[in-house]
Amino acid sequence: EVQLVQSGGGLVQPGGSLRLSCEVSGFTFSRFWMTWVRQAPGKGLEWVATMSPDENGIEGNGRDHADSVRGRFLIARDNAKNSLFLQLNNLRAEDTAVYYCARQNVVPNDFFDFWGQGTMVTVSS
Amino acid sequence: AIQMTQSPSSLSASVGDRVTITCRASQAIRNDLSWYQQKPGKAPKLLIYAASTLQGGVPSRFSGSGSGTDFTLTISSLQPEDFATYYCLQDNKYPFTFGPGTKVDIK
Repeated sequence: EVQLVQSGGGLVQPGGSLRLSCEVSGFTFSRFWMTWVRQAPGKGLEWVATMSPDENGIEGNGRDHADSVRGRFLIARDNAKNSLFLQLNNLRAEDTAVYYCARQNVVPNDFFDFWGQGTMVTVSS
Repeated sequence: AIQMTQSPSSLSASVGDRVTITCRASQAIRNDLSWYQQKPGKAPKLLIYAASTLQGGVPSRFSGSGSGTDFTLTISSLQPEDFATYYCLQDNKYPFTFGPGTKVDIK
């Protein structure tokens, strides 16, 4: 059974940092692209970042971030630990959202077939 | 970035109704589109990918069509468990972008 279990999140002050984790099981993590999607309270879904199976992917080549978070957030992974991460720095009030990790299929098309349970990040003083 | 629009933004329907949701892309995206269902407090669930391919385990009353810029999600006979919000997602080009969602509630 495929599972994505998220941890991290919580309340942080503006300008603060947080690290989200997503531990997976039930599939060969090192073969799959992974992504983060967020949802502000009462709002729609927003793609945040994507990473190829290569832990050393660079921005624009195996690692991509939305313009709204580029330079502040960093997607990363540890294939040996079956884990995906999202480092959130210099947080703003508008980053308040539920953050979801998801497995990304890339063949024949890109789509997100399995999702974590979501973790809430609240940025407030 | 490619902009996605959906219509309607919400609709009220009865069990057994046929429901159609439209998604439009600001530029041609071939068939690089998927559909997701989300219920309150839950993660989204993949319904359809590549515009028209039904994800395994998803009931056959869901179907998708379209290519280029115009796409539709159809629920042939609405069931009680289908009341939810539906989102389209374009995966043609980064940044991937979701539509604003269509909320389906009970008439």
